[in-house]
Amino acid sequence: SQTIHQWPATLVQPVGSPLSLECTVEGTSNPNLYWYRQAAGRGLQLLFYSVGIGQISSEVPQNLSASRPQDRQFILSSKKLLLSDSGFYLCAWSASLDTQYFGPGTRLTVL
Amino acid sequence: GESVGLHLPTLSVQEGDNSIINCAYSNSASDYFIWYKQESGKGPQFIIDIRSNMDKRQGQRVTVLLNKTVKHLSLQIAATQPGDSAVYFCAERGGSARQLTFGSGTQLTVLP
Repeated sequence: SQTIHQWPATLVQPVGSPLSLECTVEGTSNPNLYWYRQAAGRGLQLLFYSVGIGQISSEVPQNLSASRPQDRQFILSSKKLLLSDSGFYLCAWSASLDTQYFGPGTRLTVL
Repeated sequence: GESVGLHLPTLSVQEGDNSIINCAYSNSASDYFIWYKQESGKGPQFIIDIRSNMDKRQGQRVTVLLNKTVKHLSLQIAATQPGDSAVYFCAERGGSARQLTFGSGTQLTVLP
């Protein structure tokens, strides 16, 4: 069966520091991969999606970036965090354009 | 722009009663819909999906109804249990779009 992992589970970072969140998927090949951000009490905002290695589409202009160095690895990064980057970051995968399956999430607090 | 919204931000039901969570969508080209359940501090969990060529689909204790005429989606949970307490999101895929659009969620609270 397929599983999706995210780490770290929680992170507290100062403003201006760099960020690297990692997502890996097991049990499937060539998945579509997604990064979402969820603010408290809000819905999911799509940040990036990828249909293959090195292929990244950005949905929202921001100081975040994404990379896909391997088929089942998706990384969310920032060179300098802002207070507004705080939130719950979710990675998801899908085998097609249909159902997306989510990871456990990373709670990021920027102080 | 297109949007997916929920009629009620919170819903409280007695344990054992049936729950109905509603969702409205505005994109008439949407062809695929999903319901997710999100417990506090966790990622959303897939519950059930439905394609636009159907108007009803049943799972274990859950039923999704789709009314394309009024662009309305609902999730029915039978015999609601304490473990059903969570935020429920609907999501829709608009035609050829690769991404899903999510509603803001409904908080379901099951009362003892």
